Amino acid sequence: DAGVIQSPRHEVTEMGQEVTLRCKPISGHNSLFWYRQTMMRGLELLIYFNNNVPIDDSGMPEDRFSAKMPNASFSTLKIQPSEPRDSAVYFCASRNRRANVLTFGAGSRLTVL
Amino acid sequence: GIQVEQSPPDLILQEGANSTLRCNFSDSVNNLQWFHQNPWGQLINLFYIPSGTKQNGRLSATTVATERYSLLYISSSQTTDSGVYFCAVELRLYDRGSTLGRLYFGRGSQLTVWP
Repeated sequence: DAGVIQSPRHEVTEMGQEVTLRCKPISGHNSLFWYRQTMMRGLELLIYFNNNVPIDDSGMPEDRFSAKMPNASFSTLKIQPSEPRDSAVYFCASRNRRANVLTFGAGSRLTVL
Repeated sequence: GIQVEQSPPDLILQEGANSTLRCNFSDSVNNLQWFHQNPWGQLINLFYIPSGTKQNGRLSATTVATERYSLLYISSSQTTDSGVYFCAVELRLYDRGSTLGRLYFGRGSQLTVWP
């Protein structure tokens, strides 16, 4: 089991550019979560999916953020246009149908200049 | 949402010392997990412990659900224990065989262990 796989691990971009972060959950896991971590706000839940359906997107900061899960093995988080305040580490996590444990990916560190 | 408070926010120890980290939460939960974020940023699950006591090597955790708190004990600390320890709680619901819910994270306790 390769765990939750995120890409890219690091991204540096300029303000206004589009950013796409990718996540492959653990095979067999049916819930997927996107978190953002900053010093100021800690770990924030942005959105989570259950069986590929978005359940709670109340944490998505604004319309510039969007997330999709076209199938059980892939999800994207897109920021368009990006702003310096979006700089953070973005984590993807998954868990299975009745599991108790959330497994995190290694994170994608985003820097917007 | 559920409020999660962790204490202390920062802790500095000499190698070999013991420590206790606390997590208080505001509502009834049926899922509580402790995570360790190492200096490289990786978040690792330590315990799933909605109630009772569990031990794993030098680490143990106790949750008293009726009083809405959990404790993480680290004995004989080592430099590799350094990092941030997070408590996360959830009121998990089941719907048609699937789990619904979200984990609410505390702000973490930063532990530094010196040799």
